[in-house]
Amino acid sequence: EPEVTQTPSHQVTQMGQEVILRCVPISNHLYFYWYRQILGQKVEFLVSFYNNEISEKSEIFDDQFSVERPDGSNFTLKIRSTKLEDSAMYFCASNRGLAKETQYFGPGTRLLVL
Amino acid sequence: GQNIDQPTEMTATEGAIVQINCTYQTSGFNGLFWYQQHAGEAPTFLSYNVLDGLEEKGRFSSFLSRSKGYSYLLLKELQMKDSASYLCAVRDQKASGSARQLTFGSGTQLTVLP
Repeated sequence: EPEVTQTPSHQVTQMGQEVILRCVPISNHLYFYWYRQILGQKVEFLVSFYNNEISEKSEIFDDQFSVERPDGSNFTLKIRSTKLEDSAMYFCASNRGLAKETQYFGPGTRLLVL
Repeated sequence: GQNIDQPTEMTATEGAIVQINCTYQTSGFNGLFWYQQHAGEAPTFLSYNVLDGLEEKGRFSSFLSRSKGYSYLLLKELQMKDSASYLCAVRDQKASGSARQLTFGSGTQLTVLP
């Protein structure tokens, strides 16, 4: 069964550095999402992406964040200048956008900002 | 916006039945999802309700009352492996497109005891 994949599984970075988190959505999916989950807290929506542009974004998704679909398979989340509070698990999700369809989550990237 | 409430923790015994409640207040509604999340892992889809009533799927059932802004997840014949966090998530209503974000509750940590 096809799955969403994410790389790396873990990333440690210094405050102020740029990080790029990578996702490969399921191949016939059209809608892509990023969520984050700070340790011990709820899963929070960051951004949705469709037809090569951002569809919706939350208040968390400020100018430090950007998303890109650089080719036909990858979907990336870039954090330009990381802060300590960006430490979290970042989940990518995708779906076809059907009425009763769930979003399929990848295994996540655990980001630690020191 | 969305506000979703669920109990923080529940404990039950192997073989028993447990009901996890979720209440929501939303500005738009296009379905309610239940996910299971083991520590350090991605949410995995359990059930979806968009109309009032009960949806049954093996040992798991989910109920929705839109007028009351209320849902529950019922787990029967509990097994040790059911120990996990159970997340209630509401999908937004959007005027166009289907890239609808999910808003998650904080999750209910279920512990199944032998």
